[in-house]
Amino acid sequence: EVQLVESGGGLVQPGRSLKLSCAASGFTFSNYYMAWVRQAPKKGLEWVATISTSGSRTYYPDSVKGRFTISRDNAKSSLYLQMNSLKSEDTATYYCARQGLITTFAYWGQGTLVTVSS
Amino acid sequence: EIVLTQSPTTMAASPGEKVTLTCRASSSVSYMHWYQQRSGTSPKLWIYETSKLASGVPNRFSGSGSGTSYSLTINSMETEDAATYYCQQGSSYPWTFGGGTKLELK
Repeated sequence: EVQLVESGGGLVQPGRSLKLSCAASGFTFSNYYMAWVRQAPKKGLEWVATISTSGSRTYYPDSVKGRFTISRDNAKSSLYLQMNSLKSEDTATYYCARQGLITTFAYWGQGTLVTVSS
Repeated sequence: EIVLTQSPTTMAASPGEKVTLTCRASSSVSYMHWYQQRSGTSPKLWIYETSKLASGVPNRFSGSGSGTSYSLTINSMETEDAATYYCQQGSSYPWTFGGGTKLELK
């Protein structure tokens, strides 16, 4: 069974940094692209980042490019999201997702809440 | 950026009723994916590549469309189908989601 467990969320002040982690199990982690998707309170979904199987290629939307960095450790079956220069609009539940065929987000974790506020 | 517009934003359907949700793209896309999110839970992949049902999805669901217009149809509404449905395109970066359609039980 595919399991994705996020951690690292919490309350952080604007301008500060936070690093999220996602522990994966139930599948061969190194075979899959992985992603982060966020959802602001009572709002819709927003793709945040994607990383290739080896970690050599990363993709971001403009809203987080230059501030967020996605990375992975295939030996530990773990995915990370380093978030710098956080803004209030980054407040959201952040989901770790395993990508599937043709750009789908096939499996999702339970999410971790990040609140950016002074 | 390709903007996805879903309609209606909210709707209510009675058990047994046929339901159609639509998703319109600001530019042509090759396919559309759909996700179901029940209240308080994580999203689930529901339909991929426009018309393929994800594992475990009941066959009362179907998807169709092409170009800039896509739809998700429930042949006969059931209680468990009450949820928010999001469309998503992966044809070009940045990958984007629609704003969602909240489907309620009447």
